[in-house]
Amino acid sequence: KAGVTQTPRYLIKTRGQQVTLSCSPISGHRSVSWYQQTPGQGLQFLFEYFSETQRNKGNFPGRFSGRQFSNSRSEMNVSTLELGDSALYLCASSFGGTTNEKLFFGSGTQLSVL
Amino acid sequence: GENVEQHPSTLSVQEGDSAVIKCTYSDSASNYFPWYKQELGKRPQLIIDIRSNVGEKKDQRIAVTLNKTAKHFSLHITETQPEDSAVYFCAASKGGADGLTFGKGTHLIIQP
Repeated sequence: KAGVTQTPRYLIKTRGQQVTLSCSPISGHRSVSWYQQTPGQGLQFLFEYFSETQRNKGNFPGRFSGRQFSNSRSEMNVSTLELGDSALYLCASSFGGTTNEKLFFGSGTQLSVL
Repeated sequence: GENVEQHPSTLSVQEGDSAVIKCTYSDSASNYFPWYKQELGKRPQLIIDIRSNVGEKKDQRIAVTLNKTAKHFSLHITETQPEDSAVYFCAASKGGADGLTFGKGTHLIIQP
């Protein structure tokens, strides 16, 4: 079974631009959640999608948005990029019954904002 | 919302010794406590988890203990080996649709 796939692996953008990250979950998994990882801050929850619906959202500004397609693939968008958005963005998939289940993480997209 | 504190931020132990990482959480409704290990340049992977209806869980050299009254849980690694070197994250969740709240991580260094 293929693991969670994230593309692209690396991105370099400038302030004010927008970016779209993609995540393909493990086959059969219906939940996709997104996390921002920065040195010293650990993993911070962005949002979670299940069956094309956002089920939960963390404390991030509205510039961060996402969506999920009928095949469970998910995209995350960040508009009007700021220097502080530089981070590793990880997505994780699970079967989706609840969040009390094992998450399978992708390798992440490393975003650098210049 | 939930807040998870993790200590220490860095832990250095001699190979063969034990390592203990501690986490506290704020929301008494949290009932699921996983631990993830992230090796350098790799993705986080679940190594063990515990639910609020048990106080301890073991898996070979790894064990997790939970004290619901004090709202803290700990990861214990015995007979540490070089491959245990990694960043370890604790997390807590109330379940349902709530996301996991992670601690800031502990960098475990195994000295030869």
